[in-house]
Amino acid sequence: EIVLTQSPGTLSLSPGERATLSCRASQSVSSSYLTWYQQKPGQAPRLLIYGASSRATGIPDRFSGSGSGTDFTLSISRLEPEDFAVYYCQQYGSSPTFGQGTKVEIK
Amino acid sequence: EVQLVQSGAEVKKPGESLKISCKGSGYSFTSYWINWVRQMPGKGLEWMGRIDPSDSYTNYSPSFEGHVTISADTSIDTAYLQWSSLKASDTAMYYCARRGGFYNWNDGNHYYYMDVWGKGTTVTVSS
Repeated sequence: EIVLTQSPGTLSLSPGERATLSCRASQSVSSSYLTWYQQKPGQAPRLLIYGASSRATGIPDRFSGSGSGTDFTLSISRLEPEDFAVYYCQQYGSSPTFGQGTKVEIK
Repeated sequence: EVQLVQSGAEVKKPGESLKISCKGSGYSFTSYWINWVRQMPGKGLEWMGRIDPSDSYTNYSPSFEGHVTISADTSIDTAYLQWSSLKASDTAMYYCARRGGFYNWNDGNHYYYMDVWGKGTTVTVSS
């Protein structure tokens, strides 16, 4: 089973600042299977990024994804109030797994 | 509108059985796999397993294999997650999610992701 480790666990930032979230895999992951989701309290997760770097429909361009192999990154260029949430990476291979999540909170 | 509508909250006792549902609408139900995801209170997302409704092929996370059963009824465009004997540790929110994807002829790769999610079903198991 591929283990995804996200860091940091919590990111405390102010609106307007840049957020950089990391997702590291225990073995190489195909970029085409690497996705990022956003979850707000009381809501279902929402697809943000697929294929490591492609934004899903309706996702603002302040969200970007990058990486390959075992190291992937989600960046939010300028945090808006609605971006404070928990973010999960996932690999959708033969046995999908999620990272444990990074909470982006208001500083 | 493409959506997955999940059944309502459940309160059960340990040892009881349960089957929750996820009904797809607005798309061809047999063309997309359905995944189930668990979220225990205050915790992260855990992939449980998935089903291909077109032929009922399933595969499960090793953590959930043998503890739950995933099925589908294509006559009513509905997928199910069931337990034969609930435990207190099954208390959680359960989401169903559609597997979207495509084949990119330029790079020769399949792209997969969970693009449509249900709102979740809360299951509480308590004596």
